[in-house]
Amino acid sequence: AQSVTQPDIHITVSEGASLELRCNYSYGATPYLFWYVQSPGQGLQLLLKYFSGDTLVQGIKGFEAEFKRSQSSFNLRKPSVHWSDAAEYFCAVGPLGSGNTGKLIFGQGTTLQVKP
Amino acid sequence: KAGVTQTPRYLIKTRGQQVTLSCSPISGHRSVSWYQQTPGQGLQFLFEYFSETQRNKGNFPGRFSGRQFSNSRSEMNVSTLELGDSALYLCASSLRPGSNTEAFFGQGTRLTVV
Repeated sequence: AQSVTQPDIHITVSEGASLELRCNYSYGATPYLFWYVQSPGQGLQLLLKYFSGDTLVQGIKGFEAEFKRSQSSFNLRKPSVHWSDAAEYFCAVGPLGSGNTGKLIFGQGTTLQVKP
Repeated sequence: KAGVTQTPRYLIKTRGQQVTLSCSPISGHRSVSWYQQTPGQGLQFLFEYFSETQRNKGNFPGRFSGRQFSNSRSEMNVSTLELGDSALYLCASSLRPGSNTEAFFGQGTRLTVV
């Protein structure tokens, strides 16, 4: 069955420190890959996406993610975390092909806390 | 450009009642998907609509239904509410179906069943 695993439920980093959030997926083929962020009481905002091509993807707010096919991973990184980055982060996969539906499968999320 | 609008933002219902949630997609977007978010189950896909047709449905009981109108606005309905239906219901709109197109999410409707 298709699944997405975010091994870290909660992560705390100091402001200015680097960040890496892990994401592993189980899928028949390389799916479309996404990272979303959710602030309290808000909907989801897309940080970045990978469809094909360069395996290092740049997103908004200084985030980047690297797709590693051999590890079925799509980890999210940021070189220097800001207090405003505190939120919940979701990794998601979607089926291949524009003819397919837009159904996204989400991981359980990682809550990021930023220490001053 | 207005974003995805979900109404109402908050709702309290009693067990056994039914509820209708509304989603207005971004202008020009014709595909609408619904998700349920709970602390225990996380984000789960409910259904997807395009051109007034349901294209995909998640693993939810028949009490959960939806529809899409000709102006792409969508509603979802939950009948015979149960305590476990308490959740944040998120709507996402995109230009077209398929996950190779960006989905924009609304702020959600927080449903509490008492």
